[in-house]
Parts: sequence; structure tokens; C-alpha cells
Amino acid sequence: DSGVTQTPKHLITATGQRVTLRCSPRSGDLSVYWYQQSLDQGLQFLIQYYNGEERAKGNILERFSAQQFPDLHSELNLSSLELGDSALYFCASSSQQGGNTEAFFGQGTRLTVV
Amino acid sequence: DAKTTQPPSMDCAEGRAANLPCNHSTISGNEYVYWYRQIHSQGPQYIIHGLKNNETNEMASLIITEDRKSSTLILPHATLRDTAVYYCIVRVRDTGNQFYFGTGTSLTVIP
Repeated sequence: DSGVTQTPKHLITATGQRVTLRCSPRSGDLSVYWYQQSLDQGLQFLIQYYNGEERAKGNILERFSAQQFPDLHSELNLSSLELGDSALYFCASSSQQGGNTEAFFGQGTRLTVV
Repeated sequence: DAKTTQPPSMDCAEGRAANLPCNHSTISGNEYVYWYRQIHSQGPQYIIHGLKNNETNEMASLIITEDRKSSTLILPHATLRDTAVYYCIVRVRDTGNQFYFGTGTSLTVIP
């Protein structure tokens, strides 16, 4: 158990809809990362937050947005969903931003868009 | 984005040491090398990381060459549960120390 909790574990929704994925980082971790992994694809970095502020953006679509709340949990919002958005979405957390700090991943949310 | 090169797949006999290579020839002096693995579609699992010295923990050893252009992850006694995709990652300081995952090495441990 990494200590990072993601909910829900599975989500099925229709095209055009909007969903929210939730991530609770490990206790005390200030940094949260979001990744997308499509079928048989690698992990694509989406976005990072540190102590409530956006720190870095990767390949995140404009239809997607995220935020980190004062209690440090984070939410990833996906809107106007398309079939191609079906993927595993992972959240990771780390205590610091620096290069010498490992990140721990949750078990992911499997999103299926039908 | 990935600054690493790994073989796409490897096999290893159960009980033997698994040596997974990684090239990172453009690594900068203050950039760390990390190893993660992903079993099936589970969340990536942290294994080990290092800067320039060899590192060892309960899971594995990390050997970094003196010029830091390559490294090797060693699983000393591979078991069937070590079958996974192994990712070698260089945290690039210029891009905010993000974890950029490449395609990794698919390790199969054979009974």
C-alpha cells in the first residue's frame, strides 16, 4: 500500500459527460502529480501541484483541469469526454519537489467512456 | 521527453539475478536516476534512485557508471512476482523534476 488513495477505482460514463477523479496523497506529502495511461501506452504526465499551486503542465488537454485543495487532496476534472479519453488515470504524491524525493503512486482510476 | 533508453524486453530465470540496463547519456550532473516498475495495470511502484553512487535497498541494487551515462538495476534473486515493466527515469531539472516515463523494459521471469 503506497498510502495514496484514488477514488473511484472504476468509472463508466458516456461521451460528452464530465467526471471528477479524486486523489488523497500520502500524509504530509505536498506535491501531487497526475498521469494518464491509455491501453498499451506509457504513462503520460498531465499536471503537477505543490501545496495548492500548479507547478508544471504536461500533455494535458484543455478539456481537462485539476486543482489541489487546502487539505492537499487533488481532483482531476475531465469534461466533454471522448472515447479516446478511456484510460487509467494515476495520481502520485511526494513530500517535496526536488530531484531527490521519490513519488508514490495510487492504484489508479480506470475510466471507460462509452 | 524521456531521456533514457531501455531494451524493450528481457527474460530472466527464476532465482537468478536480473540485470536491467538503462542509457541516459545526456544526464546532467544534478539529475537523479529513478527506477519504477508496473505490474499489469497497477500503479507504478518505486524501487530505488541514485545520483552517482551505487545504491542498495531491500528490493534492488542500482549501479551507476562513473560517467553517469548509464545504469543497471539489479534484482538479486528474481521471482515470478518480479515480472513487470521496469522504467528507468531521469528527473530533468529543467522541466521541474518531473517523472517522465518512457517505454520501459518488460521483464519476464521464467520458472
